[in-house]
Formats: sequence, C-alpha cells, structure tokens
Amino acid sequence: DVKVTQSSRYLVKRTGEKVFLECVQDMDHENMFWYRQDPGLGLRLIYFSYDVKMKEKGDIPEGYSVSREKKERFSLILESASTNQTSMYLCASSFTPGQGPDGNQPQHFGDGTRLSIL
Amino acid sequence: DAKTTQPNSMESNEEEPVHLPCNHSTISGTDYIHWYRQLPSQGPEYVIHGLTSNVNNRMASLAIAEDRKSSTLILHRATLRDAAVYYCILRDLNTGNQFYFGTGTSLTVIP
Repeated sequence: DVKVTQSSRYLVKRTGEKVFLECVQDMDHENMFWYRQDPGLGLRLIYFSYDVKMKEKGDIPEGYSVSREKKERFSLILESASTNQTSMYLCASSFTPGQGPDGNQPQHFGDGTRLSIL
Repeated sequence: DAKTTQPNSMESNEEEPVHLPCNHSTISGTDYIHWYRQLPSQGPEYVIHGLTSNVNNRMASLAIAEDRKSSTLILHRATLRDAAVYYCILRDLNTGNQFYFGTGTSLTVIP
C-alpha cells in the first residue's frame, strides 16, 4: 500500500515564525500536493509539484512556499506564520503513467498535520 | 472547473445498503468522477472512480448516469467503520492533478 507520511500530527507555532511541514511518500510517485482543510471550506489546494524542483501554484498559494529537492519529499513552508494559517494541512501524492497530469489516477493522502499559530 | 453537489448529511442503518448521490451537471467529456472518504482525524481515502461505465471494487460500486450528469456511490452493507464524510470530485483527464473538494456528505451509520 502507498504510504504518505507527514512529519507531525500536531504542531503549535507562534506568529511570525518560519514553519516547515514535511511530507514523504514511499511509492516513487511523480506528483505531490499540499492542501489545507478548514471547516465549511473543504480542501483547498496550496501548491503541487510534477517532478523534482518543479512546483505549481494552487488556489491559495499566498503566504506559502514549497520545496521538492528529492522525488519522495515535498515540504511546505510558511514564511512568516500568521493566525489565519491555523488549519489542518494535508499532503498527497499520485502516479503519472505518462507525461504530465492524469485525471485517471487516484491521490493518496497522509493523515494530516493540525497546525495552530498562536 | 466543473463542480459537484452533494447532500450535506445522510443516515443509514448498519448492514443496509447506502446510496450516496452526487450531481455534476456541468461535467465535461474528459472529467473522471472520483469518490473519496474521510474518517475522523484521518486524511481522505480513495474509494473509487470512473469515466462512463459503472465500476465495482472491494470497497464500493459507482453507478454513473447515462448522461453523466449525476452518479451514485453504493456501499452494499454499511458498517460502523463506514461513518465518514464522502466527497464526490471531478478530475479532468488533462489537468487532473488539481482536486476540487466540496464539503461532501457526512454519513452516519446507526447500529
């Protein structure tokens, strides 16, 4: 089975701190994603990556950046944490059998990091 | 991007079948219909997906209307472990790496 592991289940940080959320997948998937999940808003895509060192903005990239130096690892960075970034953060990965995106492939999610910014 | 509409909540008795509806009237010809579920304190879990034909797997069945404007996820015998939020999502074949989750249907299973 695919395993997507997020480094922390719960994290508490202070306003203005630089925060790193780490995600590792063990299935050699090309694609990795970061979402945040808030009550009443569903999941919203922050950033995704098709390949090492590649990144694309999702719907809500402001205040975030990402890093993909190795295929199995995708990091989400909150440059200067603010209270409105308190949320559940979910990482996912998927396989691409050919070139580019493929809507026929399921995404595999980690269990999330519940981040609180005080 | 094409959107989906689901009821906010549904209830089912344990060991009975559950039919979870989803409307997607603006679906395009290259949109796949995906279903995920999310148990409390966990990330979303893939359930099933399809394009035009009905699909079956060990978890569920997916029934797709002939005009593809709606679909139904069928859990054949609900168990307490099936209590979760179920999301119906459209993913384009060509730009499919972006997921658009709505707020889903919260399924309660009554013992």
